[in-house]
Amino acid sequence: QVQLVQSGGEVKRPGASVKVSCQASGYTFTNSGISFVRQAPGQGLQWVGWISPYSGNVHYAQKLQGRVTLATDSSTSTVYMELRSLRYDDTAVYFCARAVFGDYEGGFDYWGQGTLVTVSS
Amino acid sequence: DIQMTQSPSTLSASIGDRVTITCRAGQNVFNWLAWYQQKPGTAPKLLISQVSSLENGVPSRFSGSGSGTEFTLTISSLQPDDVATYYCQHYTSNHVTFGQGTTVEIK
Repeated sequence: QVQLVQSGGEVKRPGASVKVSCQASGYTFTNSGISFVRQAPGQGLQWVGWISPYSGNVHYAQKLQGRVTLATDSSTSTVYMELRSLRYDDTAVYFCARAVFGDYEGGFDYWGQGTLVTVSS
Repeated sequence: DIQMTQSPSTLSASIGDRVTITCRAGQNVFNWLAWYQQKPGTAPKLLISQVSSLENGVPSRFSGSGSGTEFTLTISSLQPDDVATYYCQHYTSNHVTFGQGTTVEIK
């Protein structure tokens, strides 16, 4: 069965970087795009960006452009999200999610369990 | 990016009621629209993709409709398990936008 398993929670200081991993299994990794979506405490959903494991193409939310990088490791079917220069308002649960088809079409049908990133001094 | 606006923000209804949530787009989003259900402490669950295509395993009381800039998610007969927050989502090749969410409660 399709599974996306994310790395554990992180606590970081302002200005630091964090890297969250998302390991996929149960399907052909290069067939579907992977997005990251974040949710601050008590707030709604905010898209971070997506990557095509097939082509390596990436697109990022304008608000995070320059601070976020998505990358893949096809040997382990893993997607990594790195967020740099962390701010207090980056505190959120970060989810990875798989596109229904193609790189982004149809919405996201499988989600990781979420990784809580806390930015605190 | 295209703005997605949901209404209402909160909805209180009785078991068995017909419930409708509206999602309005800032410009034509064609059929690139999905709906999600999220319960506290869990990841969102895809209910409907491409405006009206029900995902496998989603109860048939859920349905989606609309076109262009106005879309609706309807629950034909509200059940206790439907208590959750619902989000619409627009997706394109270079951005994804979610509505702000609609929380559904039982009266």
